[in-house]
Amino acid sequence: GPKVLQIPSHQIIDMGQMVTLNCDPVSNHLYFYWYKQILGQQMEFLVNFYNGKVMEKSKLFKDQFSVERPDGSYFTLKIQPTALEDSAVYFCASSPYWGSQNTLYFGAGTRLSVL
Amino acid sequence: SQWGEENLQALSIQEGEDVTMNCSYKTYTTVVHWYRQDSGRGPALIILIRSNEREKRSGRLRATLDTSSQSSSLSITAAQCEDTAVYFCATEGTTSGGNYKPTFGKGTSLVVHP
Repeated sequence: GPKVLQIPSHQIIDMGQMVTLNCDPVSNHLYFYWYKQILGQQMEFLVNFYNGKVMEKSKLFKDQFSVERPDGSYFTLKIQPTALEDSAVYFCASSPYWGSQNTLYFGAGTRLSVL
Repeated sequence: SQWGEENLQALSIQEGEDVTMNCSYKTYTTVVHWYRQDSGRGPALIILIRSNEREKRSGRLRATLDTSSQSSSLSITAAQCEDTAVYFCATEGTTSGGNYKPTFGKGTSLVVHP
């Protein structure tokens, strides 16, 4: 089936550094999402993105977070500067259409460890 | 929170048994998605049930949806070891502005023993 690739699978950085998480969505998909999952807990919505713009962001999407997809390349989540509480697994998802009948396709996640 | 307290759950069963996982939600939705997440992987959709459907079947899976009680269930018949995973339900999470942000429950960790 369609695959979303996330790079890297694991990132370890020191608190205060910048990190960029990369997502290669399914090629013909137009809608993109980031979710955050702390170990053993539910996935929390961060942001959705379409046509070069953020559609909506949650309270978890702090000012230090930003997303972009320049020229149809990777869909990225940047955190600058990072904090200890940013340690989690971040999942990227994409979908071809908009709306509740739609399926989201998720990547395998990037585990971010902030030391 | 959008979710009821009972969503966090861990189940351990023997191969061949039937199992049912429950999900309750607080906000309006026109659809409930059920995803499974294998260890080290992202969630994958396994069944979707709409508000005009009370029951939906797919192979050994059966989903129900009761919009009056705002609850959904996922049943697996004759569970197999490969059904071991975490199962999440998700609602549409549509905001007042019509924005769609799928919102996940806390999940059920299912372990099927041989």
